[in-house]
Amino acid sequence: NAGVTQTPKFQVLKTGQSMTLQCAQDMNHEYMSWYRQDPGMGLRLIHYSVGAGITDQGEVPNGYNVSRSTTEDFPLRLLSAAPSQTSVYFCASSYSPGTPSSGNTIYFGEGSWLTVV
Amino acid sequence: QQQVKQSPQSLIVQKGGISIINCAYENTAFDYFPWYQQFPGKGPALLIAIRPDVSEKKEGRFTISFNKSAKQFSLHIMDSQPGDSATYFCAASIVTTGFQKLVFGTGTRLLVSP
Repeated sequence: NAGVTQTPKFQVLKTGQSMTLQCAQDMNHEYMSWYRQDPGMGLRLIHYSVGAGITDQGEVPNGYNVSRSTTEDFPLRLLSAAPSQTSVYFCASSYSPGTPSSGNTIYFGEGSWLTVV
Repeated sequence: QQQVKQSPQSLIVQKGGISIINCAYENTAFDYFPWYQQFPGKGPALLIAIRPDVSEKKEGRFTISFNKSAKQFSLHIMDSQPGDSATYFCAASIVTTGFQKLVFGTGTRLLVSP
């Protein structure tokens, strides 16, 4: 069971380039999300999805695009990379929107380190 | 405003000591308060969590203390071990538009010296 798999692990982009961060989960989870982690700021929600074909914006969506064509995959697209998007990106998934008290756990991938120069 | 404040930013504790990390929140609509542990190069992993109607939850060496009136909660790590050295994030959860959104604190880097 691979859990939540993110690729690539490391990427360097030039300003203005576009790229896609891949995220796949093999747990048949409906709920998936992308967070970015910056020094001194914790993790912030970028976009999320409650099922195939359904996405919505989180706290910091500008400059990012998502789609959810299958249950397993939730790619994050950077349309025109900017140095401000240098960050560590985490994909997460869960079975339901419930909290741990209902038996639900949010699983995070190992992260994608992105540097925009 | 949805914000969670966490302190200290870093913490050094001797092996066998008690590590204490504090968090405060503002939005009373938050309905769950998890703590995540993150090792270098890895993603955050759920460590322990508490509901706002409970004042304390203990799992092994890890305890959450929750003060609803003060809107504060803290993580206590008893008998701290070098293997506990990691970054710890508190978070607050709210379910809106059918999704559990996590608002994270800024993190505490814990180093347990041997």
